[in-house]
Amino acid sequence: SAVISQKPSRDICQRGTSLTIQCQVDSQVTMMFWYRQQPGQSLTLIATANQGSEATYESGFVIDKFPISRPNLTFSTLTVSNMSPEDSSIYLCSVEEDSYEQYFGPGTRLTVT
Amino acid sequence: SQELEQSPQSLIVQEGKNLTINCTSSKTLYGLYWYKQKYGEGLIFLMMLQKGGEEKSHEKITAKLDEKKQQSSLHITASQPSHAGIYLCGADPNSGYALNFGKGTSLLVTP
Repeated sequence: SAVISQKPSRDICQRGTSLTIQCQVDSQVTMMFWYRQQPGQSLTLIATANQGSEATYESGFVIDKFPISRPNLTFSTLTVSNMSPEDSSIYLCSVEEDSYEQYFGPGTRLTVT
Repeated sequence: SQELEQSPQSLIVQEGKNLTINCTSSKTLYGLYWYKQKYGEGLIFLMMLQKGGEEKSHEKITAKLDEKKQQSSLHITASQPSHAGIYLCGADPNSGYALNFGKGTSLLVTP
C-alpha cells in the first residue's frame, strides 16, 4: 500500500494568512484527493487533483481559496488562503491505487486564531 | 448524491464483547471502504468490498457487503481497547472517484 506523508502535521495560523500543505506519496499515483474534516464532522471532499490537469473542485470550494498544485505523480500541495477561524480543520490527502484501494495521509491539523 | 448512514452513532462495549457497525447507502455501491480513525489523526484503511455478498476479514475484524450492494456491516470479535476509535464507511460511485463518507461510529472499549 502507498505510504503518504503530509507537512506540516499541525499549525496555528493567524486570520488572514495562508498556509500551504504538502502531500508526498512513495509511489506514482494518478488519482489524488484533498479532504477537509471539520471538528466533530466527517470528511468532505475539497477537490480532485490529477497530474497534468487542473484540479476539479467540489461545490462550495473555489480555486482562489484553495489553490492546488500537482506537479508530478508523487506530490501535491493544497493552500488555504486568507484564513478565517472557520477554516480550522484537519486537512487530508488521499490516493487511489490501481487496486482501487484508497489510502489517506496522516492529516494536517490547522487552527486559525 | 450518494448518502451513507452509519449506525450506531456511538458504542461503548466491554472488553471481550463482540460488536457490529452498519453502513447503509441510498444508492448501489460500486465500492465500500472501511476506515478507522484515532482522534485528530488520519484514516487507517481496513478493508474494501466491491462484490455483492463479499466478505473480508483482517485479524478480529470482518466486513460484509450485502448482495444488493447497498449495505455493509463491520463486525469486531472479542473487542480490545486497541479497537477504540471512530469507524468510517466510505463509498465511491465509480472507480477513480473520491469517496463519500458516513458520519462515523465512535467506539469505546472499556476494561
